[in-house]
Amino acid sequence: DGGITQSPKYLFRKEGQNVTLSCEQNLNHDAMYWYRQDPGQGLRLIYYSQIVNDFQKGDIAEGYSVSREKKESFPLTVTSAQKNPTAFYLCASSSSGTGYGYTFGSGTRLTVV
Amino acid sequence: AQKVTQAQTEISVVEKEDVTLDCVYETRDTTYYLFWYKQPPSGELVFLIRRNSFDEQNEISGRYSWNFQKSTSSFNFTITASQVVDSAVYFCALSEAGGAQKLVFGQGTRLTINP
Repeated sequence: DGGITQSPKYLFRKEGQNVTLSCEQNLNHDAMYWYRQDPGQGLRLIYYSQIVNDFQKGDIAEGYSVSREKKESFPLTVTSAQKNPTAFYLCASSSSGTGYGYTFGSGTRLTVV
Repeated sequence: AQKVTQAQTEISVVEKEDVTLDCVYETRDTTYYLFWYKQPPSGELVFLIRRNSFDEQNEISGRYSWNFQKSTSSFNFTITASQVVDSAVYFCALSEAGGAQKLVFGQGTRLTINP
């Protein structure tokens, strides 16, 4: 079955360490996105990519980095520069131009201690 | 800039009651899409509906119905005869029709259905 796989589901890191969240899709979607969710808040866009080897900052990109070397993969690195990294991270993909919305992964809950 | 407002942070009702979740949006685009997603405790977002800005017909799917009113920039969601399984956080979202189609989310409404 096609879908998006995010791993791991739970992640714990010490403060000051970089951490990379994985996102893989087998839907042949062109566009991929990373969102952050904090308790009681909606999802906020971190980064997005419409094609391989190209990506753009979203609304809250500071302290994060991404790469898009393959169509299927869009990993997110939470760097030590991110001041409040503890959050729930959701990856999504869409078939650009259709407006049919997204397919979301199951999310990674990152806790920095 | 696009914006989505869900003024109801939390709603709690007794099972079998009808409940309406409000969504108000702002956009300068003439063509756009509106969405509702359900987020159960597992965290994954479940797609419920997509509505094109040119299609103002109301939609009904089982116990779910959606009322899209362009004149008031609202896209409200009603659950009829609510059930405990409907308990979740519900998000309304807006995206541009072209370009990157970034989704802009409302803050979400936590719906609790009590037995």
